[in-house]
Amino acid sequence: NAGVTQTPKFQVLKTGQSMTLQCAQDMNHEYMSWYRQDPGMGLRLIHYSVGAGITDQGEVPNGYNVSRSTTEDFPLRLLSAAPSQTSVYFCASSYSSPAGLQETQYFGPGTRLLVL
Amino acid sequence: GQQLNQSPQSMFIQEGEDVSMNCTSSSIFNTWLWYKQDPGEGPVLLIALYKAGELTSNGRLTAQFGITRKDSFLNISASIPSDVGIYFCAGQLAGNQFYFGTGTSLTVIP
Repeated sequence: NAGVTQTPKFQVLKTGQSMTLQCAQDMNHEYMSWYRQDPGMGLRLIHYSVGAGITDQGEVPNGYNVSRSTTEDFPLRLLSAAPSQTSVYFCASSYSSPAGLQETQYFGPGTRLLVL
Repeated sequence: GQQLNQSPQSMFIQEGEDVSMNCTSSSIFNTWLWYKQDPGEGPVLLIALYKAGELTSNGRLTAQFGITRKDSFLNISASIPSDVGIYFCAGQLAGNQFYFGTGTSLTVIP
C-alpha cells in the first residue's frame, strides 16, 4: 500500500511551457484534491474530485486543469506556466463516510515547481 | 476564501515545556483537523475532531473542537526535539472543501 504518490518531485519550467503533475492513490478513496502551498499562506485548494468523472474548482483554480478518468489517478495540468505558479503542490485523497461527510485527508509528498 | 487565523506564527521553546496553539475562524466548521509537516514532506494528520466540544488525545498531543465550532486548539505536553516542524489547523465546511491555517512553526531547543 503506497498511499498517495506524486511525480515528479521537482520541476523547473520556463514561462509558457505546459506540464502535468501526476497523483495516484491505491486506497480506493473517492475524494482527491490538489493544493498549493506558498510561504505564509498555508495550503490553498486548487481543484478537487468527488469521484471518477467528477471535478470541481477550489479556492484558486485559475491556470490549472484537472480530470478524473479513474478512481486512482488525478493529474493536474498547467497549460501555460507562469512565475506566479511557482509553489509546492500537494495531492490529497480521502474516504467518504456513509453520512456523506468527508473523512480525513492523506497527503502525498509534494511536487516542487519553479517557473522561470 | 475562508480565513483561518492560526497563532502563534512561530514558537521557540525549551525541551520539556508544554506548547499551545490555536486556530480561529469567522465561519462554523463541521470538522477540525491538526496536521504536522516536516521539511520536504507532505502534512501528516495528528488529530481529527468531529463534534463541538470534543476533546481528543494522541499521545502527548491534545486537541479540542471549540463549542462555538469556530475555533480549535492543540496542546503538546513535555515537548521533545522531534516535535520540531510546522503545525497546521484545517477546517471543513462541507463536502471536500478544507481550509488551512497559515501554520505555526515550532522549534524545540534541547
